[in-house]
Amino acid sequence: GENVEQHPSTLSVQEGDSAVIKCTYSDSASNYFPWYKQELGKRPQLIIDIRSNVGEKKDQRIAVTLNKTAKHFSLHITETQPEDSAVYFCAASNRADGLTFGKGTHLIIQP
Amino acid sequence: NAGVTQTPKFRVLKTGQSMTLLCAQDMNHEYMYWYRQDPGMGLRLIHYSVGEGTTAKGEVPDGYNVSRLKKQNFLLGLESAAPSQTSVYFCASFETGELFFGEGSRLTVL
Repeated sequence: GENVEQHPSTLSVQEGDSAVIKCTYSDSASNYFPWYKQELGKRPQLIIDIRSNVGEKKDQRIAVTLNKTAKHFSLHITETQPEDSAVYFCAASNRADGLTFGKGTHLIIQP
Repeated sequence: NAGVTQTPKFRVLKTGQSMTLLCAQDMNHEYMYWYRQDPGMGLRLIHYSVGEGTTAKGEVPDGYNVSRLKKQNFLLGLESAAPSQTSVYFCASFETGELFFGEGSRLTVL
């Protein structure tokens, strides 16, 4: 089955700086890579996703890049703000039997 | 639309007791999932269903059973609860690539 590794487990950045979270996956057949944000005590919510026929996707301050050859993908957040503080999960999937999630990154935005 | 609704939101059980978590979705989605979330472990798939009357095992199915008698409902059962099943449980439905999560159910087994 699929295995997703996510790093780092905790990331602390100064407000206004950029944050990068990296994930690797094992199943070369995976073709869908979403990122979820989970605020404390709340449900995970989709923030951005990318499919294997695209190398990069942007949505305002967030972007995701995908390297299929190396089997890794990354989340980039620019101009970080206090409301970006949360746990972020990457995931990978190639079929309907559910997404395989990374273990999460706790992003802390320092004022 | 309520989206995905889970009940109950909180429950405390004693070891050996049984219980059922109910997940209901009003989006007419075929695929539904049960995940558990533990600190430092991310979200792990327990069981899933690709349509009414179907169920399948995920990554951590032991100690759980599920049923999908109606398209809109996906039930997760614990026949004999164990302390290792203390966790936050999330139900989700899936449509065109996006998982829609319920609010979660926090279960404590003493």
